[in-house]
Amino acid sequence: QVQLQESGPGLVKTSQTLSLTCTVSGGAISRGGYFWSWIRQHPGKGLEWIGYIFHSGTTYYNPSLESRVAISVDTSKNQFSLKLSSVTAADTAVYYCARDYGGNSHFDQWGPGTLVTVSS
Amino acid sequence: QSALTQPASVSGSPGQSITISCTGTSSDVGGYDYVSWYQHHPGKAPKLIISDVSSRPSGISNRLSASKSGNTASLTISGLQAEDEADYYCTSYTSSNTLAFGGGTKVTVL
Repeated sequence: QVQLQESGPGLVKTSQTLSLTCTVSGGAISRGGYFWSWIRQHPGKGLEWIGYIFHSGTTYYNPSLESRVAISVDTSKNQFSLKLSSVTAADTAVYYCARDYGGNSHFDQWGPGTLVTVSS
Repeated sequence: QSALTQPASVSGSPGQSITISCTGTSSDVGGYDYVSWYQHHPGKAPKLIISDVSSRPSGISNRLSASKSGNTASLTISGLQAEDEADYYCTSYTSSNTLAFGGGTKVTVL
C-alpha cells in the first residue's frame, strides 16, 4: 500500500517561498502511469488543484498559480516537492500531496495534509 | 471561483436518497469521461469514491452511484446514513491539460 507524507515549515513569512516535500513509501515514484500532485484547501473553503508532475519531470500547473509555482521530483529519494513563491496570507491553507492514476483527476492516494500559515 | 459548480449544501433524512450535481462545460465535464468524486471528512484526507464518471473503487459502498449527462455530472447517495455526512467534491480533467475541482457540497443527514 503506497503512503504519502507531507513535510515542511508550518509557518512562512509573507513574500517568501513556501517549500514542501512529499515522501512516497510502499512503491516507486518512478512507476509509470502516475502523476504526483499538490492540492490545497484554504480555511473553510474548497479544494484547489495546484499542479502535478510525472516521474520524467513533465509538469502541469493550475493557470492561476503557474507564475509562482514549481513542482519537482527526486526519484532517488522517492520524493516530490512544491515551491510557491511570493506568498501572501491568501496562500494559507492545508496542503495535500496525492497520487493521480493517469493524470485524469483519479487521486487514489493522499497524504494526511499539512497546514501552512503565511504571516508577516 | 471554482471551475465546476456544485450546490453548497444538500440534506436528507436517514434512508432517503440525495443527488449532488456538478456542472462544467464542454471543455471539462462534457468533453471527457474523467470526472471523479471525493468524500472529505474535516481533518482527514479526501477519499476517492467515484472515478471515470461512474466507477466505484474497491471497498466503496454500492449505495453510491454516479453518472453524467452533457456538461453535468451527478453523484447519488442512496439509503442515506449518518456516516455519509461530509463534504463532497467533484473534479474533472480539462482541455487545457489541467484539473478542476468543484466548490464542494456539504451533505447533512437530518
